[in-house]
Amino acid sequence: EAQVTQNPRYLITVTGKKLTVTCSQNMNHEYMSWYRQDPGLGLRQIYYSMNVEVTDKGDVPEGYKVSRKEKRNFPLILESPSPNQTSLYFCASSLGVMNTEAFFGQGTRLTVV
Amino acid sequence: KNQVEQSPQSLIILEGKNCTLQCNYTVSPFSNLRWYKQDTGRGPVSLTIMTFSENTKSNGRYTATLDADTKQSSLHITASQLSDSASYICVVSPRGGYNKLIFGAGTRLAVHP
Repeated sequence: EAQVTQNPRYLITVTGKKLTVTCSQNMNHEYMSWYRQDPGLGLRQIYYSMNVEVTDKGDVPEGYKVSRKEKRNFPLILESPSPNQTSLYFCASSLGVMNTEAFFGQGTRLTVV
Repeated sequence: KNQVEQSPQSLIILEGKNCTLQCNYTVSPFSNLRWYKQDTGRGPVSLTIMTFSENTKSNGRYTATLDADTKQSSLHITASQLSDSASYICVVSPRGGYNKLIFGAGTRLAVHP
């Protein structure tokens, strides 16, 4: 089954403790991205990657890092989480960069206390 | 600034009734406009994708329309079912934006028996 898989689904952590949210897709997609969703706001892009070893900042990249060492994986790293990073996070992938459908993971609900 | 605005914020209808959700956008020029369905706690799922030259696109009981002159789109749901209860998100992709997606905040639809 074609899918985007995120782990974990739920995470509670303390301020300053480094964490990684994994994202994997099995559709051989080139384009992957991370979004956060906060109440009353649309999804906002954190980082995106157009291919292996090619990543770039989205609209809200502060406090996040990503890497793309393999085509299928695109982990999101929070080096020193803060409470304002409490949010619902989604990973997405698509075949190309224009007019192609984006497939989203199930989401990771992160709480930083 | 809100480049994609949706109305209403929330809507309650009875099962079997029709409804129309609105999306106004200021993104220009744009490559495509999408509608997604997001069930509570799940990732968004694509319903329709329309390029700037298309006026309408259907997917089962869902019909999206686009008026590029007035920068408006609508999503019409026919013969609603309880499973239609979800948030519906309008998304615009700017032309030349490398698959960048600009999300509206969504309309939360509740279908009651």
